[in-house]
Amino acid sequence: EIVLTQSPGTLSLSPGERATLSCRASQSVISSHLTWYQQKPGQSPRLLIYGASTRATGTPDRFSGSGSGTDFTLTISRLEPEDFAVYYCQQYGASSFTFGQGTKLEIK
Amino acid sequence: QVQLVQSGADVRKPGASVKVSCKASGYTFTSYLIHWVRQAPGQGLEWVGRINPSDGITHYRQRFQGRVTMTRDTSTSTVFMELSSLRPEDTAVYHCAREIEGTCFFDYWGQGTLVTVSS
Repeated sequence: EIVLTQSPGTLSLSPGERATLSCRASQSVISSHLTWYQQKPGQSPRLLIYGASTRATGTPDRFSGSGSGTDFTLTISRLEPEDFAVYYCQQYGASSFTFGQGTKLEIK
Repeated sequence: QVQLVQSGADVRKPGASVKVSCKASGYTFTSYLIHWVRQAPGQGLEWVGRINPSDGITHYRQRFQGRVTMTRDTSTSTVFMELSSLRPEDTAVYHCAREIEGTCFFDYWGQGTLVTVSS
């Protein structure tokens, strides 16, 4: 099973700043199978980015995804107040889906 | 609009079983896979397994094999997940989520169902 490790665990930033979230896999992941979700308290996860870099319908263009192999990144160019949430990466491989443990993006 | 509406919260004793439902609407039920993902309190997301509503074929995460059963009722566009031999560590919010087969991501999620296992 492929293990995804997200860093940092918590990221404290101010609105307007740039956020860079990392997702590292224990073995190579097919880029088309790497996904990012956003989850706010009391809500279900929301699809943000799929195929490592394709924004889902409704995802603002300040969100971008990149990476390949074992290293993937979610970047938020200028943080808006509604962006403070927990972000999860997810992959499909070896007949199983796995998620990272999440990065909490909090207001500094 | 696409909706996945789940059954309400449930409390079970250790050793018992629980059955959670997920009713789909707003799209062709048999054209999308349905997955179950759980989240223990304050924790991350864990994939449990999936069912193809078209043919009923299931695929479960290995650690849940023998304890989980996913079924569907095409007449009501509803998917069910039953988890047996419950333990306190099964306490979690259980989400259903939709996948366009082969895309390997979940584009719509149910609202979640809290299952509490406690004596």
